[in-house]
Amino acid sequence: ETGVTQTPRHLVMGMTNKKSLKCEQHLGHNAMYWYKQSAKKPLELMFVYSLEERVENNSVPSRFSPECPNSSHLFLHLHTLQPEDSALYLCASSLGGTTGELFFGEGSRLTVL
Amino acid sequence: KNEVEQSPQNLTAQEGEFITINCSYSVGISALHWLQQHPGGGIVSLFMLSSGKKKHGRLIATINIQEKHSSLHITASHPRDSAVYICAPASGTYKYIFGTGTRLKVLA
Repeated sequence: ETGVTQTPRHLVMGMTNKKSLKCEQHLGHNAMYWYKQSAKKPLELMFVYSLEERVENNSVPSRFSPECPNSSHLFLHLHTLQPEDSALYLCASSLGGTTGELFFGEGSRLTVL
Repeated sequence: KNEVEQSPQNLTAQEGEFITINCSYSVGISALHWLQQHPGGGIVSLFMLSSGKKKHGRLIATINIQEKHSSLHITASHPRDSAVYICAPASGTYKYIFGTGTRLKVLA
């Protein structure tokens, strides 16, 4: 149990579908992150929220839309995705700052048909 | 050139062997993460260090900030240590640079 829970663990969707990934942490952290991990590539930062404000948006296409309603929850809304968006999407949280240790969820494996 | 280089990329060891994974980086950092990723995908933080050495059970991590180098050592390796080990320097607020990982397989 890492303290960061992601749902669903697996998701298959068509290119015209709309779906959402959910992340929840009860560690009292104030920063939450979405990372994308494609095969044979390092983790890529997508979004960072600190105290529910988006502080980093790493040139992510608009078909990915994050939402942070409170400091414990983070969503990634998906619409009109492409097959190349198939990847493992990892949520993480930290106390923030440059030395905040990252705590990761188990990931949501997304397949876009 | 990548900002973070890990070596080796793949490593197969016999149970009981001493293992070293190296990480070199080219940017200024405040701290460095060592992470472990199992086949299911979940990632666990092993260490966060900004100087010297840390030890947790059979794992030891060292860092030399001046030389921009860190190492992860596993003593008395076990098949359950089989995983991908990822080095991630923290280069700024909320900014971690991730290596491509070292895939370790420990044979019984």
